[in-house]
This record gives sequence, C-alpha cells and structure tokens, in this order.
Amino acid sequence: QVQLQESGPGLVKPSETLSLTCTVSGGSISSYYWSWIRQPPGKGLEWIGYIYYSGSTNYNPSLKSRVTISVDTSKNQFSLKLSSVTAADTAVYYCAYMTTRGSLPQWGQGTLVTVSS
Amino acid sequence: EIVLTQSPGTLSLSPGERATLSCRASQSVSSSYLAWYQQKPGQAPRLLIYGASSRATGIPDRFSGSGSGTDFTLTISRLEPEDFAVYYCQQYGSSLVTFGQGTRLEIK
Repeated sequence: QVQLQESGPGLVKPSETLSLTCTVSGGSISSYYWSWIRQPPGKGLEWIGYIYYSGSTNYNPSLKSRVTISVDTSKNQFSLKLSSVTAADTAVYYCAYMTTRGSLPQWGQGTLVTVSS
Repeated sequence: EIVLTQSPGTLSLSPGERATLSCRASQSVSSSYLAWYQQKPGQAPRLLIYGASSRATGIPDRFSGSGSGTDFTLTISRLEPEDFAVYYCQQYGSSLVTFGQGTRLEIK
C-alpha cells in the first residue's frame, strides 16, 4: 500500500505563503486523487482540497482564493501552497490518498505548521 | 456545501458497552460517499468505514456502519479499551469534501 510523507517548514510568518510537499512511496501517483486536510490544535478536521494526477483540482470554497495544489508525477509528489497566512492557519497539515468515492484510506503522519512572527 | 452534524459531542461509556454515534447531513448524501474515521491523540485519522457500511482493511467486525439519505450511524458493538478516541464522519459530494465536527468517545 502507498505511504505518504509531508515535508516543509514548520514555521511561517504572517502574510507569507505556506508551502508543503507530500512524497508518495510504494505506488505511483499517476492514478487516483490526492488530498490535503488540516487540523488546528485541539480542533476538528478541515478539508483543503484535492488534485487528480492529471492536474485537475477542487478546493474548499472557504480557502479557494488562497490555495494552490499541484502535482509532479516525475517525483511522485504533490504540493500545497497557502498564501497570506494568519495565525488561524496554524494547524497539523495532512496529505492523503483519496479514492474515487471520496474516502481517505491512507494518510501521512502530519506536520505541524505554526504561523508566527 | 453539505454540513455534517455529529452527535453526541461526547459519549461516556464503559468497556464492553455498545456505542452508537450519529452523523446527520444538511442534505441527502449518497451512501457510496459516506465514511467514518477514528483518531487517537497524536495520530493521523484512520479509515474505519467507507460506502456507509463497508469496513476498511483490518477493521474489527465490532465496528459497523449504517444509514442512508441524511442519517448515518457508526456502531461499536462491544467497546474495547483501544476504541476510546475521537470519531469523524466525512462525505464527498458535488466534488467537495466535508467532515463532521467529531464525537469524543471517553471512558466512563
């Protein structure tokens, strides 16, 4: 089964852009959907968006103006960019594999990103 | 956007008891696109149920899902100590994903 691993800075300054990468191993990214989800400390899960390996995307309407998800099939990676961050964007960010019916059977371990000056 | 409301917010039960968790949608959800997850502190969520009633790989048969339309239920038939955690429902519809706010299952 596929494994996923998030990587990127753990600290981002307010108004800057948060950038994370998810590396997929044990399988090809060139199939299915790949998703980003976040969880603020002590709170619930919030879906950010997903990308199909071909590059088509769908985003959470509440974040759509600030989010870009992209895929690099040559590296078996997909990435998240979230612009103009504030303290409210502090969260554990997860990447996950998503089936065609929308379930998320495989998740990365998550990475905490703190927005602070 | 479909809003999922889970109840109760917190459920206090003892090992061996039966747990019934509810997930209500603001509009009809296709059963094929309704899932349940378990999350323990410091861990990523784990898929328990997909398609409203199908157990994911390796999930014990004490976990079962049911429901249709706007009302879905996760049942744990006999609670084991490792089942005390937070549970989330999730739906996929109109190309969007939403999660419920979670139910915390705690030891009584």
